Amino acid sequence: EVQLVESGGGLIQPGGSLRLSCAASGFTVSSKYMSWVRQAPGKGLEWVSVIYTAGTTYYADSVKGRFTISRDSSKNTVYLQMNSLRAEDTAVYYCGRGTSEATAPDYWGQGTLVTVSS
Amino acid sequence: DIVMTQTPLSLSVTPGQPASISCKSTQSLLHSNGKTYLYWYLQKPGQPPQLLIFEVSNRFSGVPDRFSGSGSGTDFTLKISRVEAEDVGVYYCLQSLQLPITFGQGTRLEIK
Repeated sequence: EVQLVESGGGLIQPGGSLRLSCAASGFTVSSKYMSWVRQAPGKGLEWVSVIYTAGTTYYADSVKGRFTISRDSSKNTVYLQMNSLRAEDTAVYYCGRGTSEATAPDYWGQGTLVTVSS
Repeated sequence: DIVMTQTPLSLSVTPGQPASISCKSTQSLLHSNGKTYLYWYLQKPGQPPQLLIFEVSNRFSGVPDRFSGSGSGTDFTLKISRVEAEDVGVYYCLQSLQLPITFGQGTRLEIK
């Protein structure tokens, strides 16, 4: 059974850093495109970042230069390092599993809430 | 960026009646490999999104056959043949032809 469990969210001051984790089971993260998607309170869905099977990474313009996606195959976990956080980064962050050639998630985690506020 | 536009933004449907949601993209979602990268999701209240339809018309595992997807190029439709109470939530279309992948604004379905 495919499962994705996010962790690492919380309350952080503007300018601070946070690292989110997405622990996967039922498949290997290095065999799929893995994405982070966020949802601000009461708003729609916004794609944030993806890491391809080859390790190539891409980011939304809104987070480029501040966020870094990575994975640890030994832990079967994907990470999102978030630096220089802003109030507008406040959202529930979801981890999503794509396929071996498409980014669109077929399975999603339950999400972790990040609140950026002083 | 490819912009995805959904209509209507809200829908109120009597149980047992059909419902339809339109999604239009600003450019064709047809890839040179012959696949069209258009997806439909449902986000039930308090839950993460769940995949309903992939590549325009393929139902994901476990999705009831009352859900169907159709369309091509830039115009797509999600249809629910007979709405049930458990279908309430927000429906999103998504394109993954090119990065950034982009979602429609969402269509909220409620039961009358």
